[in-house]
Amino acid sequence: GQQLNQSPQSMFIQEGEDVSMNCTSSSIFNTWLWYKQDPGEGPVLLIALYKAGELTSNGRLTAQFGITRKDSFLNISASIPSDVGIYFCAGRISGGYNKLIFGAGTRLAVHP
Amino acid sequence: DAGITQSPRHKVTETGTPVTLRCHQTENHRYMYWYRQDPGHGLRLIHYSYGVKDTDKGEVSDGYSVSRSKTEDFLLTLESATSSQTSVYFCAINEDGGTDTQYFGPGTRLTVL
Repeated sequence: GQQLNQSPQSMFIQEGEDVSMNCTSSSIFNTWLWYKQDPGEGPVLLIALYKAGELTSNGRLTAQFGITRKDSFLNISASIPSDVGIYFCAGRISGGYNKLIFGAGTRLAVHP
Repeated sequence: DAGITQSPRHKVTETGTPVTLRCHQTENHRYMYWYRQDPGHGLRLIHYSYGVKDTDKGEVSDGYSVSRSKTEDFLLTLESATSSQTSVYFCAINEDGGTDTQYFGPGTRLTVL
């Protein structure tokens, strides 16, 4: 079946540093989504990407939809303590019903 | 806020007992989903619904059943809970109108002893 490989699994960085994480797949996706999950809560949508090559920003976050449609990355600039959490990529599965497949997540820790 | 609530938020049960988790939405979206979240696996789709009484299996549906008798409610049932079903369960809805974005409820933490 389809799988998303998300890396790194975890990151421990200093406040102010930039962060980069990515997802790759052997399958093509028409939509890539990035979510963040805070402890004890459900994932919250950060950025949605709909077109190959698309680069989209949301504040300090920037995400890109890879040209091959098999990958996507998320960058966070000038990290702050509230960036702590788990970040998930997701790709929309072909075949309708807007089903998504998720990566295993990147756990981010920010040291003040 | 997509108006999604889940109940209960926490439950501890014993192996072999039936368990039903409820997802309620206030905005009458057509598509609803149940996921489970386990360390190292991200979120995996259990079942989904595309309308009242219209449901289908996801990636990890064994041991689970669902029902949707009203637009606003999507129930997930574990007929006979097992320890491998200890997990955090999330409900999600997909906004109507052609977007692919899903919005998640707060989750239910289930422990099967």
